[in-house]
Amino acid sequence: NAGVTQTPKFQVLKTGQSMTLQCAQDMNHNSMYWYRQDPGMGLRLIYYSASEGTTDKGEVPNGYNVSRLNKREFSLRLESAAPSQTSVYFCASSVVSLNTEAFFGQGTRLTVV
Amino acid sequence: GQQVMQIPQYQHVQEGEDFTTYCNSSTTLSNIQWYKQRPGGHPVFLIQLVKSGEVKKQKRLTFQFGEAKKNSSLHITATQTTDVGTYFCAATDSWGKFQFGAGTQVVVTP
Repeated sequence: NAGVTQTPKFQVLKTGQSMTLQCAQDMNHNSMYWYRQDPGMGLRLIYYSASEGTTDKGEVPNGYNVSRLNKREFSLRLESAAPSQTSVYFCASSVVSLNTEAFFGQGTRLTVV
Repeated sequence: GQQVMQIPQYQHVQEGEDFTTYCNSSTTLSNIQWYKQRPGGHPVFLIQLVKSGEVKKQKRLTFQFGEAKKNSSLHITATQTTDVGTYFCAATDSWGKFQFGAGTQVVVTP
């Protein structure tokens, strides 16, 4: 049981380049999330998907797009990377419930130069 | 929306000492969760508190939910080097989305 799998684990981009971060979960969870983690800022929600076909903006959505391809997969796209998007990105999933826990992927360490 | 504030941001602890980290909200929370992230790792769920005044223990870790359900604490006794990491509190809103605190980074000195 792999849980939440993110690819790639590391990535270096040049300013202006685009890329897609992939996330897949095998726990049959409806809810999926993308967070970014910066020093001293905790985990900030970028986008959220409560179910296949639905997505909602989180706290810091600017510069990102998402796609909920199916129940398992939730991708995050940077169309034109900027140095301010250098961060560690985490995908997470959970059951749709008020009292539930989040399961996180291993993270993607992205550097934009 | 609800926000959860964590203090302190950093905690340096001598091995064997106790410490407490706090999580506060201006609104009543439906629940509070605690996660631990080891250096270079990802957040891992530790525990969830739901009831007013609830106290739960995991070995040397004691978690408490305030009577008004607006604050929570994590107390670690006899700190060990394995306790190193960042501890996050989180609350879920009515839509099931998680709101995380900024975390308390714990450094343990042998």
